Amino acid sequence: DAGVTQSPTHLIKTRGQQVTLRCSPKSGHDTVSWYQQALGQGPQFIFQYYEEEERQRGNFPDRFSGHQFPNYSSELNVNALLLGDSALYLCASRRGDRKNSGANVLTFGAGSRLTVL
Amino acid sequence: EDKVVQSPLSLVVHEGDTVTLNCSYEVTNFRSLLWYKQEKKAPTFLFMLTSSGIEKKSGRLSSILDKKELFSILNITATQTGDSAIYLCAPRVGRGGGADGLTFGKGTHLIIQP
Repeated sequence: DAGVTQSPTHLIKTRGQQVTLRCSPKSGHDTVSWYQQALGQGPQFIFQYYEEEERQRGNFPDRFSGHQFPNYSSELNVNALLLGDSALYLCASRRGDRKNSGANVLTFGAGSRLTVL
Repeated sequence: EDKVVQSPLSLVVHEGDTVTLNCSYEVTNFRSLLWYKQEKKAPTFLFMLTSSGIEKKSGRLSSILDKKELFSILNITATQTGDSAIYLCAPRVGRGGGADGLTFGKGTHLIIQP
């Protein structure tokens, strides 16, 4: 049973460019969240998608946008890249059972390491 | 704004030692407290704590929550080099509609020396 898969694993971009990161959730999961983890920091919540809609958003500018597809996979897009966007971007998924969401802990992918030069 | 503070931020001990990692939080509408272990990239789930005073155990790891004093501790006994990792805690809060984006602490970077 494949867990959460992310691509690409590493990428290098220059300032001002745009990037798209991809995530396939664990089988049976339909809720996808994205986190940004800078060096020496804990993961920071970017947004969460459920039923192809953004359910919740963290404190990130509009340059960060996302999408969820009917097969539950998701993309994270970042426009006008800044040096400070260099980080590990983690995707996490869980079952979207609203009645019992507390028991459905997140499963994380290995992340996409973005370096902005 | 939700606040999560973990201490120490880094810790170096020798194999066989016992360590205690701390997590304090200030959040609105607390539901549960999660602990994750991050070895290289993907954080892996350790514990979810919802009730005060009830210890959860998994092998040499155990954790307990104090909802009155707003903190949790993670204990690791008889540490092994494989325990070297970043340990992250995050309180879950209730926002309605299933939204549960987590606020993580900075983590404790634990290094176990042979």
